[in-house]
Amino acid sequence: SQQGEEDPQALSIQEGENATMNCSYKTSINNLQWYRQNSGRGLVHLILIRSNEREKHSGRLRVTLDTSKKSSSLLITASRAADTASYFCAPAMDSNYQLIWGAGTKLIIKP
Amino acid sequence: ETGVTQSPTHLIKTRGQQVTLRCSSQSGHNTVSWYQQALGQGPQFIFQYYREEENGRGNFPPRFSGLQFPNYSSELNVNALELDDSALYLCASSLGGADTQYFGPGTRLTVL
Repeated sequence: SQQGEEDPQALSIQEGENATMNCSYKTSINNLQWYRQNSGRGLVHLILIRSNEREKHSGRLRVTLDTSKKSSSLLITASRAADTASYFCAPAMDSNYQLIWGAGTKLIIKP
Repeated sequence: ETGVTQSPTHLIKTRGQQVTLRCSSQSGHNTVSWYQQALGQGPQFIFQYYREEENGRGNFPPRFSGLQFPNYSSELNVNALELDDSALYLCASSLGGADTQYFGPGTRLTVL
């Protein structure tokens, strides 16, 4: 069963606006990773946040993690057309370190 | 530094045939994970290899098998292909099971 569940399933915003995607999971985790995928090709790693971290930044990306609520969020600020992609969260389970993936959030940035 | 490569890019097979997909891991990485991704879905974990040993397996039947070689490259073999095996197959290499995974571009398999 899917352990990482992204919400919303799809998001369409104007260029320049901020985009927020949420992720929930079910088990104890070692870390949680966010990836981007363009046009059904290979995934690109964005950020890894460890279970003892609460917030992490990378450029225009901000990720938060709340282990008590088993949830994470990805914020993309000042969105650009090139940010159009599917975004996936992948919790790494504490028991076996495997990444478990949800169906992703499809983000469309309108020019 | 060489990234993760996969071959072939595309493949068309018929039901019942067998297929082998190949993956070269990023330099220095000893762990390779394989995923199946159906259209519009997230990746589904098939299995992971760490230093030539299987190190975890998802909910896939035994006709999905794999190998990892001493240079940490890897193969995914699928026997008795079924129509539902049509998907994008992704491999990813990493320094360990829970570390950042670096993905190849994928192999698109179509089963007719």
